[in-house]
Amino acid sequence: EVQLLESGGGLVQPGGSLRLSCAASGITFSSYGMNWVRQAPGKGLEWVSGISGTGGNTNYADSVKGRFTISRDNSKNTLYLQMNSLRAEDTAVYYCAKFSQYWGQGTLVTVSS
Amino acid sequence: DIVMTQTPLSSPVTLGQPASISCRSSQSLVHSDGNTYLSWLQQRPGQPPRPLIYKISNRFSGVPDRFSGSGAGTDFTLKISRVEAEDVGVYYCMQVTQFPYTFGQGTKLEIK
Repeated sequence: EVQLLESGGGLVQPGGSLRLSCAASGITFSSYGMNWVRQAPGKGLEWVSGISGTGGNTNYADSVKGRFTISRDNSKNTLYLQMNSLRAEDTAVYYCAKFSQYWGQGTLVTVSS
Repeated sequence: DIVMTQTPLSSPVTLGQPASISCRSSQSLVHSDGNTYLSWLQQRPGQPPRPLIYKISNRFSGVPDRFSGSGAGTDFTLKISRVEAEDVGVYYCMQVTQFPYTFGQGTKLEIK
């Protein structure tokens, strides 16, 4: 059974940093591109960032470019999202996903003073 | 960026009746490899998204056959042949043909 388990969410002040992790099991992790998607409270889904299986290619939404960094450690079957210069509008549940088939349960990030 | 537009945004349906959701993309979703990477997801209240359909019309394992997808190019449709109570939620189309990946606004399916 495939499982994606996010962690690292929490309350952070504007301008602060946070690193999210997503531990994968049940799949050959290094074979697949992975993504982060977020959902602000009461809003729709927004793709945030994606990374290739090797980690050599990364892509970002304009809304996070220059502030967020996606990475992966295939030896640990783990995906990361380093979030810097956080803003109130980054408040959301963050999901990791192997498109289109597998999604995690999400981790809540709240940016507030 | 490819804009995904869903209609309707809200769909009250009687149990046992069919439902249909349309998704239109601002440009063709045909990838250079010949595939069309259009998917549908269901999000029940308080739950993460659940993938239903990939590449226009392929159901994921465990998805009931009352769900079907169709379309081509820029126009796509999700149909539910007979709505059941457990189908209540928000449905999203998404494209992973081109970065940045994009989602439709979501269609809220509710029971009349």
